[in-house]
Amino acid sequence: DAGVIQSPRHEVTEMGQEVTLRCKPISGHNSLFWYRQTMMRGLELLIYFNNNVPIDDSGMPEDRFSAKMPNASFSTLKIQPSEPRDSAVYFCASSLWADNSPLHFGNGTRLTVT
Amino acid sequence: GDSVTQMEGPVTLSEEAFLTINCTYTATGYPSLFWYVQYPGEGLQLLLKATKADDKGSNKGFEATYRKETTSFHLEKGSVQVSDSAVYFCALRKSGNTPLVFGKGTRLSVIA
Repeated sequence: DAGVIQSPRHEVTEMGQEVTLRCKPISGHNSLFWYRQTMMRGLELLIYFNNNVPIDDSGMPEDRFSAKMPNASFSTLKIQPSEPRDSAVYFCASSLWADNSPLHFGNGTRLTVT
Repeated sequence: GDSVTQMEGPVTLSEEAFLTINCTYTATGYPSLFWYVQYPGEGLQLLLKATKADDKGSNKGFEATYRKETTSFHLEKGSVQVSDSAVYFCALRKSGNTPLVFGKGTRLSVIA
C-alpha cells in the first residue's frame, strides 16, 4: 500500500500564475477529499468526490479554484490565478465509501505564492 | 451544524507525564469518532477510532472512549514520550459517506 501520493511536495510561484496540485488516492478507495491547512483557519475542506463525481464544493474559496477527478486514480486541484493568500498546505485524502472508514492523508503540498 | 471542539493548546508536558486532550462534539445521529496525529512536515495519520457508544479506541498507548452521554472522546496516554510531540486532531464522521469534521487541533510538546 503506497498510501496517498501528492505532488509536488513544495511549490513556490508568483502571484497571478496558475498552480496545479496532483493527487493519487489509494487504490480501491472511492472517495477523495481536498483540504487546506493554515495557521489561521486550521483544516478546511475544499471539495470531495465520490466515485469520481464532485459531491460538495462549497468549501472552494473562489472561482479561481477548481478540482477535477478524471478517473479513480487521479485528481487535480488548480488555482488560476494564484494569490499570496492562497499560501497554505494542501492535503489530499482518500477513503472507502463507508460510514466509519477513516481518511488516509497524503503528505501535502506546501504552496507559497509570492 | 456538526462540530468538534478541542481544548486549546499548546500543551507542554514532561516526559512520562499523563496526557489528556479533551474533545467534545455536536452532531445529530451516531457519528464515528477519530483521533488523528500530525507530525511536523507530514500529513495527518489515523491514531485511533471508535464507531459506537462506549467503544474504546486504542493505539500506541493512546486511548479514547466514545461517551455519548457527555458527547466526548477525550484522548489519554499514561506516559508520554518526546516522540509524541505533534498536533492532535479530533474528528467525527457521520453516516452517508460525509467528510470528516475536524477540531482545530491541539499542539503537544513533550520535553525530556
